[in-house]
Amino acid sequence: GDSVTQMEGPVTLSEEAFLTINCTYTATGYPSLFWYVQYPGEGLQLLLKATKADDKGSNKGFEATYRKETTSFHLEKGSVQVSDSAVYFCALSDLPGGNTPLVFGKGTRLSVIA
Amino acid sequence: EAGVAQSPRYKIIEKRQSVAFWCNPISGHATLYWYQQILGQGPKLLIQFQNNGVVDDSQLPKDRFSAERLKGVDSTLKIQPAKLEDSAVYLCASSHADGTDTQYFGPGTRLTVL
Repeated sequence: GDSVTQMEGPVTLSEEAFLTINCTYTATGYPSLFWYVQYPGEGLQLLLKATKADDKGSNKGFEATYRKETTSFHLEKGSVQVSDSAVYFCALSDLPGGNTPLVFGKGTRLSVIA
Repeated sequence: EAGVAQSPRYKIIEKRQSVAFWCNPISGHATLYWYQQILGQGPKLLIQFQNNGVVDDSQLPKDRFSAERLKGVDSTLKIQPAKLEDSAVYLCASSHADGTDTQYFGPGTRLTVL
């Protein structure tokens, strides 16, 4: 079945450091890919998404590129802030454009210190 | 636009008791999901509704879990009887039925079974 593997945390960075959180996936078709973020005490929020190969999703300074050849969707940010401290989840939906359930990775906790 | 509402936010029960969770999706969203998020893991689908019909309940432990979505709006998820391993956060999400993919999540209900 479909699955998502993301790097284990926790990840601790100093403010203004470069962030990469690795995510790879296994899917039979052409999935849509997502990054969700969960801030302390809050629900999951969509951070960015990409629906086809070579698409780049971006939001709030975060970026991720859909790489079909490496089945990856790594999350990057050039300069993290303390307010970025949260748990980040990579996810896929196995039918592009369809209302299908999300398959999530285990999440990566990021802590940014001033 | 109001988000997905869930209640209660927290619930503590003893094993073998029953419990119910409520979800009110974003207005106009035809698709509703219930996910279970065990500590340290990503959310996993329990059940998906399209309007008031079940689309996917293959991962719902039907011997103890039940869910309904009367009139295609609000939904309730029930556990009876609860087991220790049901301790988790129960997330409700909703999305349009127009194929835009994005699922919007509620804040979740944290269940502790003692």
